[in-house]
Amino acid sequence: KAGVTQTPRYLIKTRGQQVTLSCSPISGHRSVSWYQQTPGQGLQFLFEYFSETQRNKGNFPGRFSGRQFSNSRSEMNVSTLELGDSALYLCASSPGGTSKSSEQYFGPGTRLTVT
Amino acid sequence: AQRVTQPEKLLSVFKGAPVELKCNYSYSGSPELFWYVQYSRQRLQLLLRHISRESIKGFTADLNKGETSFHLKKPFAQEEDSAMYYCALLSAGKSTFGDGTTLTVKP
Repeated sequence: KAGVTQTPRYLIKTRGQQVTLSCSPISGHRSVSWYQQTPGQGLQFLFEYFSETQRNKGNFPGRFSGRQFSNSRSEMNVSTLELGDSALYLCASSPGGTSKSSEQYFGPGTRLTVT
Repeated sequence: AQRVTQPEKLLSVFKGAPVELKCNYSYSGSPELFWYVQYSRQRLQLLLRHISRESIKGFTADLNKGETSFHLKKPFAQEEDSAMYYCALLSAGKSTFGDGTTLTVKP
């Protein structure tokens, strides 16, 4: 099975711009979660999508949004970029559903730099 | 609110020595706990989860609900164990990760 893929791998944007990141989960996985990883804050949960619906949300401002398509692919959007949004954005997929235990499979990440 | 604490940012041991990476959590319900590992230039990957009670690459972790801990242990560390280790708590679909511990195994 192909692993989780994320595009683009690297991105440079300027303050005030908006950005869209893409994640393709493992085939058959219905749950996609997004994380922000920074040296200062570590790995922080952004949100989780399951069957095209946002099922869980972390403590991030409304500038961070996402969506999931019928093929389980997911996109994350950040509007009005700030310098502090510079981070590695990780996507993880899992089978989801009603399984009590859902181990996550991570993508390589998108490195976003805001200047 | 759920919280995961890994008290050691850095841990260094010699090859063949025992190693223990500490993880404490705070959560009022019955959490699912995981250890993830990130080797140099590789993506984050699952090492083990408490529900399966298995040993992976010689590592084990026991959930201690009384002490709210999920420490990762290996009796004899190997150089290839050098990596970043994250403890994570999953509850209601939301994952909370600790800040991670960088383990270095010296020859």
